[in-house]
Amino acid sequence: EPEVTQTPSHQVTQMGQEVILRCVPISNHLYFYWYRQILGQKVEFLVSFYNNEISEKSEIFDDQFSVERPDGSNFTLKIRSTKLEDSAMYFCASTKTSGSSYNEQFFGPGTRLTVL
Amino acid sequence: GENVEQHPSTLSVQEGDSAVIKCTYSDSASNYFPWYKQELGKRPQLIIDIRSNVGEKKDQRIAVTLNKTAKHFSLHITETQPEDSAVYFCAASSLDTGRRALTFGSGTRLQVQP
Repeated sequence: EPEVTQTPSHQVTQMGQEVILRCVPISNHLYFYWYRQILGQKVEFLVSFYNNEISEKSEIFDDQFSVERPDGSNFTLKIRSTKLEDSAMYFCASTKTSGSSYNEQFFGPGTRLTVL
Repeated sequence: GENVEQHPSTLSVQEGDSAVIKCTYSDSASNYFPWYKQELGKRPQLIIDIRSNVGEKKDQRIAVTLNKTAKHFSLHITETQPEDSAVYFCAASSLDTGRRALTFGSGTRLQVQP
């Protein structure tokens, strides 16, 4: 069964550095998402992406964040200048269709980001 | 925006007992309610979902009920097994208004004692 994949599984960075988290959504999916989960807390929505543009974003997704689909398979999340509070597990997710009746989101394994 | 409240935060049951987890939501436009199971260090896995045009859905030992009037939905697990031990998250979104992003509850840690 196809799955969402993410790399790296763990990223350690110094505060102020830029990081890029990578995701490969399921191949025939059209909507892509980034969520984050701070240790022991709930999953929080960051941004969704459809048809090569941002569809929705939360208040967490400020100017420090950006997303890109650089080719036909990858979907990336960039954090320009990391802060300590960016330490979290970042999950990518994807959905098969854009129809209004279907929104089953499949999650990747996550990238654990540690900012020192 | 949407707010999803989930209770209880922890739940311990004996193997074979039933477990019930409850969620409430604030946005009456929400119409899609999935439940995810997350084992330690793993990705959230969708276990069941319900849309607002039905009141109940069942899949083997798992069932979800929805009360649109009360803005309340619940997960029911019967005949619990140790492998059901995990954190369970409810979520909501509104497909009709284009809010596809899932708003999650705070999670319930279920412990099934053998």
